[in-house]
Amino acid sequence: QSALTQPRSVSGSRGQSVTISCTGTSSDVGGYNYVYWYQQHPGKAPRLIIYDVSQRPSGVPGRFSGSKSGNTASLTISGLQPDDEADYYCYSYAGGYNRVFGTGTTVTVL
Amino acid sequence: QVHLVQSGPEVKKPGASVRVSCKASGYSFSDYFIHWVRQAPGQGLEWLGLINPSGDATHYAQKFQGRLTLTRDSSTNTVYMEMRSLRYDDTARYYCTPLSATDDYWGQGTLVTVSS
Repeated sequence: QSALTQPRSVSGSRGQSVTISCTGTSSDVGGYNYVYWYQQHPGKAPRLIIYDVSQRPSGVPGRFSGSKSGNTASLTISGLQPDDEADYYCYSYAGGYNRVFGTGTTVTVL
Repeated sequence: QVHLVQSGPEVKKPGASVRVSCKASGYSFSDYFIHWVRQAPGQGLEWLGLINPSGDATHYAQKFQGRLTLTRDSSTNTVYMEMRSLRYDDTARYYCTPLSATDDYWGQGTLVTVSS
């Protein structure tokens, strides 16, 4: 099972929007509506910010949104804030009991 | 309040085995699948495998099959991860977690260092 492909880094100014892509195959991202997104600040455990492609857990700001088209899922952060500077990972069900993470993307707020 | 408390850091030589524990309080492992995830220094997250609620079924990522064993002790609400034949590139922080939309809980991570 290969890792899902994410851009290594994206950046944007405070208040702008950025979008992170997560590309897999029809055996994982494309085959199921089971894509999660995690945010990880340095030295911390990951935090869930999107589940089931586009659902936000309680407490997660509405600035975070998710979508999917074919084998590619996307996370959009609108109105970038300094605290959004972190690493972001997608995660997908991959059939049977298999799971797979993305390669990770570092978001920089300029 | 939910806490997942993992065992302390380990330093192992190449070829050795390591066992990491993850004990839950305020949360019953017996109702949930528990996953193990690792993160090498400066690297991304990697899914290792899972154990089912009753502890009688496990599934491992293909690259770890034969080297990884997950078990659970329901009497102490603890799950265990054992990795054998350790290599230098197994150096990482290892996390236990339900990886669930409704239960976003993570242990503090256990740093396993493989060094001669």
